[in-house]
Amino acid sequence: QQQVKQSPQSLIVQKGGISIINCAYENTAFDYFPWYQQFPGKGPALLIAIRPDVSEKKEGRFTISFNKSAKQFSLHIMDSQPGDSATYFCAAASSGGYQKVTFGTGTKLQVIP
Amino acid sequence: GAVVSQHPSWVICKSGTSVKIECRSLDFQATTMFWYRQFPKQSLMLMATSNEGSKATYEQGVEKDKFLINHASLTLSTLTVTSAHPEDSSFYICSARDVRKSGEQFFGPGTRLTVL
Repeated sequence: QQQVKQSPQSLIVQKGGISIINCAYENTAFDYFPWYQQFPGKGPALLIAIRPDVSEKKEGRFTISFNKSAKQFSLHIMDSQPGDSATYFCAAASSGGYQKVTFGTGTKLQVIP
Repeated sequence: GAVVSQHPSWVICKSGTSVKIECRSLDFQATTMFWYRQFPKQSLMLMATSNEGSKATYEQGVEKDKFLINHASLTLSTLTVTSAHPEDSSFYICSARDVRKSGEQFFGPGTRLTVL
């Protein structure tokens, strides 16, 4: 019930392309879905987050799409750049994020020139 | 705003010794801090939840006596790895929750522990 499944495990995208990472969850109590970006040797940094009352949230080149009925959400990175190369983690939490965060397994993104 | 620091950023110690890692919220008060462990190319695994002024809540399978957590103030939590062994070598990351920002968690830069 606490799992968050993430795919793909790794992703190679050409510069300027769209990177898409998908996640699915099981626990219907989850109501806060953040995405984190992590560079090697660094802690994760919050990229963007969504709550289930909206189906999409966009911040710059980053968009979260959320499908409550399917219990799925995805991250789209538009116009991907080499500087976006990092590991991305989706996550989920309940009580608006006040409860502990459950992380997905991570996606290593490589954007090639 | 919402900066979390960790000290040290890396530490090498001999087997059998104890190591203390500090986590500080620099510009906000954090009633709750979390400690994670991350092995290479793996996800973050929550070890324990630390609440200011009370005992930490440990996740299943995490040894309380080995990983001592103290949250003595609203800006500082410490993780002490006692009698460290090579299998404790890992990347330890803390996060702090900023209640002013809808419970959003902010992560520290991590501490790389290597036990020889």
